[in-house]
Amino acid sequence: EIVLTQSPATLSLSPGERATLSCRASQSVSSYLAWYQQKPGRAPRLLIYGASNRATGIPPRFSGSGSGTDFTLTISSLEPEDFALYYCQQRSNWPPVTFGGGTKVQIK
Amino acid sequence: QVRLVESGGDVVQPGGSLRLSCAASGLSFNIYGMHWVRQAPGKGLEWLAFIRYDGSNKYYADSVKGRFTISRDNSNNKMDLQMNSLRVEDTAVYYCATDLGGYFDWGYFDSWGQGTLVTVSS
Repeated sequence: EIVLTQSPATLSLSPGERATLSCRASQSVSSYLAWYQQKPGRAPRLLIYGASNRATGIPPRFSGSGSGTDFTLTISSLEPEDFALYYCQQRSNWPPVTFGGGTKVQIK
Repeated sequence: QVRLVESGGDVVQPGGSLRLSCAASGLSFNIYGMHWVRQAPGKGLEWLAFIRYDGSNKYYADSVKGRFTISRDNSNNKMDLQMNSLRVEDTAVYYCATDLGGYFDWGYFDSWGQGTLVTVSS
């Protein structure tokens, strides 16, 4: 099973700042990686799939990059509604699908 | 607008059974693969099971294989998860989600329901 490690666990930033979230895979997942946003008490929302493709309705301030084992989610300028939990997920040679442990983006 | 509504969550004793349902609307249900994903209280996300758009293929996580069974009824736009031999560690919010790939099994989760809480406790 492929293990995804997200860092940092918590990111403290101010609105307008740039957020850089990392996801590292225990073995190559090619570009089969997605990012999700989750707010308290809500279901996750797909942001990015295929490492760099924005899902429908996702604003361009969200971007994904990387391939192989190292991936990054960048939020170019944090809006108040972006403070949330973010998960990466891989589907290389699934099943199984696996998720990272999450990064919490909180207001500084 | 896609809407997924889970139901069936409850409090059940260890060793018991429960059946969850996911009702879909606003999409052509019969062309989408469907997943179940759960989240234990204060924990991360765990994929559980997938069923292909026509029900021809089913995949399970090792943690639930042999205990949980996924099924679907395309005529009624519904998917179920039969959960047997429940354990305390199965306590979680259970979400259903559509596969992004439609006919193709992409393994990404596009639309999600609001979740239903399953509590396994004596």
